[in-house]
Amino acid sequence: DAGVIQSPRHEVTEMGQEVTLRCKPISGHDYLFWYRQTMMRGLELLIYFNNNVPIDDSGMPEDRFSAKMPNASFSTLKIQPSEPRDSAVYFCASSFWTGNTEAFFGQGTRLTVV
Amino acid sequence: AQKVTQAQTEISVVEKEDVTLDCVYETRDTTYYLFWYKQPPSGELVFLIRRNSFDEQNEISGRYSWNFQKSTSSFNFTITASQVVDSAVYFCALSDRFTGGGNKLTFGTGTQLKVEL
Repeated sequence: DAGVIQSPRHEVTEMGQEVTLRCKPISGHDYLFWYRQTMMRGLELLIYFNNNVPIDDSGMPEDRFSAKMPNASFSTLKIQPSEPRDSAVYFCASSFWTGNTEAFFGQGTRLTVV
Repeated sequence: AQKVTQAQTEISVVEKEDVTLDCVYETRDTTYYLFWYKQPPSGELVFLIRRNSFDEQNEISGRYSWNFQKSTSSFNFTITASQVVDSAVYFCALSDRFTGGGNKLTFGTGTQLKVEL
């Protein structure tokens, strides 16, 4: 398997624009996680899905953020409208359910909102 | 509440030195999992180790070793004979049933390790 695949790797957008980040999890994994990494807050969980269903979105910072998982092999994280403080690295990760396995992370999307 | 503390923000060592990265965790749960991840300059997060709360055996993998002590709520990571390629940010993380279990991770703030020639 190619691992968790995220696209794009880098995104630069202007404030107010819509941004969509994409993730393809590892085949067979039934959990998918979106994390955000910033200097100020470190690595924080935004939302996670189990079998394509959002389970906990309490980490989503504002209504401007939304995430979907239309099928087992694809998820999106959308920010609309984007703001400069959304600039961060966004990671997608997938795993099997149990904590007795590790989560595999994608390479991240570095988002810059100017 | 769940919390992971990595008090060492940055550590600099000379190649071939041994270095220990500290991790202290807090959880109310009796069943939990601890992890270490490495983030090299290229930015990806690389899994290093997972340990469950029922297994206090220390683990060694090549130059890496981990010391898990429930009595002090610590899960420390030692690199023996460090190399320049070990330069990275290292994260300790926790998951437990209060965080939702599985791999819903609470991360520490990371320790930047710099290994110089």
